[in-house]
Amino acid sequence: AQSVTQLDSQVPVFEEAPVELRCNYSSSVSVYLFWYVQYPNQGLQLLLKYLSGSTLVESINGFEAEFNKSQTSFHLRKPSVHISDTAEYFCAVIGGSQGNLIFGKGTKLSVKP
Amino acid sequence: GAGVSQSPRYKVAKRGQDVALRCDPISGHVSLFWYQQALGQGPEFLTYFQNEAQLDKSGLPSDRFFAERPEGSVSTLKIQRTQQEDSAVYLCASSLTLLYQPQHFGDGTRLSIL
Repeated sequence: AQSVTQLDSQVPVFEEAPVELRCNYSSSVSVYLFWYVQYPNQGLQLLLKYLSGSTLVESINGFEAEFNKSQTSFHLRKPSVHISDTAEYFCAVIGGSQGNLIFGKGTKLSVKP
Repeated sequence: GAGVSQSPRYKVAKRGQDVALRCDPISGHVSLFWYQQALGQGPEFLTYFQNEAQLDKSGLPSDRFFAERPEGSVSTLKIQRTQQEDSAVYLCASSLTLLYQPQHFGDGTRLSIL
């Protein structure tokens, strides 16, 4: 069965510092991976996705994630964070033939001035 | 609107009451998913519709939970005889097709059972 582990529940970081949010998955089938961001009292917004092809995927706001099959990881990185990046980030994998997502427990990113 | 719309945003009910949560997906989206997000947790899958057909309800926690999408657009999640453990945010998501297209989420309904 598919599962997702997010190793850090909270990550505090100073503005303009780099950040890495870790995600490991287990899957016995083809892997399709996603990162979603959730701002307070809002739904989830897709940040980036890996379906196939290049193992490095990028978002429009400077985040990137690299699919590493040998390490079963899909870590999210940003070289320089902003206050506005403060949010909760969820890693997810396709869980079944119907396309439903299996989420990790989330990582709260807190960017301090 | 252009996005997934859920109503109400907040719902408070007494234990034992029935509640109904509405999801209006993006127009033309074939797939519709319901998730339950408990406090401090990631969303967990409840059920899936392809058009009006409910193809997977394996995540529904009990027979008190019921979902429908009679005309293949708006969906309603109903919870009968609510219990305190039903308190959570209920998220609806829709996508164009089944083929691993990104899911677009609504802002959710926060349900509190007193």
